[in-house]
Amino acid sequence: EPEVTQTPSHQVTQMGQEVILRCVPISNHLYFYWYRQILGQKVEFLVSFYNNEISEKSEIFDDQFSVERPDGSNFTLKIRSTKLEDSAMYFCASSAEISSYEQYFGPGTRLTVT
Amino acid sequence: GDSVTQMEGPVTLSEEAFLTINCTYTATGYPSLFWYVQYPGEGLQLLLKATKADDKGSNKGFEATYRKETTSFHLEKGSVQVSDSAVYFCALSDLYNFNKFYFGSGTKLNVKP
Repeated sequence: EPEVTQTPSHQVTQMGQEVILRCVPISNHLYFYWYRQILGQKVEFLVSFYNNEISEKSEIFDDQFSVERPDGSNFTLKIRSTKLEDSAMYFCASSAEISSYEQYFGPGTRLTVT
Repeated sequence: GDSVTQMEGPVTLSEEAFLTINCTYTATGYPSLFWYVQYPGEGLQLLLKATKADDKGSNKGFEATYRKETTSFHLEKGSVQVSDSAVYFCALSDLYNFNKFYFGSGTKLNVKP
């Protein structure tokens, strides 16, 4: 069964460093998303991406964040200068249609900023 | 704005016990409601969904009914198994805002043999 994959499973970085979280969505999907979950809190929407551009972003997704689909298969989330409060589980998701309601999620990357 | 509130965990049950995980929502439009499950080390998997009021979603013995009058979507299972141990997330997506899912904070279920 097709699945969304994410790498790495755990990333440790120092405050101020740049990190790139990688996702490989399901191959025929067109819509891509990033969510995050700070420990003990809700899963929060960050950004959605379609047709090589951001279609929506939350207020969390400030100038420190960027997304890219560099090669037609990967979908990346970059945090330019990490802060302690960026420590969280980051989930990638994809869906075939905007109205399908169903998003397929990856296993997540746990980011720890020290 | 839209939001989801679900009961705090962890919930610990013995095998074959009855499970209820409460979920309530706030939405300005016409939300669809979901339960996702996350098994250890895996991604979020769609467990069931309901797209309009009074719909019942069901899968793998789990059920949830979309109750507009109480703005609830409680998850139930009549007889849990050890293999049901996981984290359960209630979520909604709005008819007019397909891009975004709003999630609850998750409820961890531990089932003991």
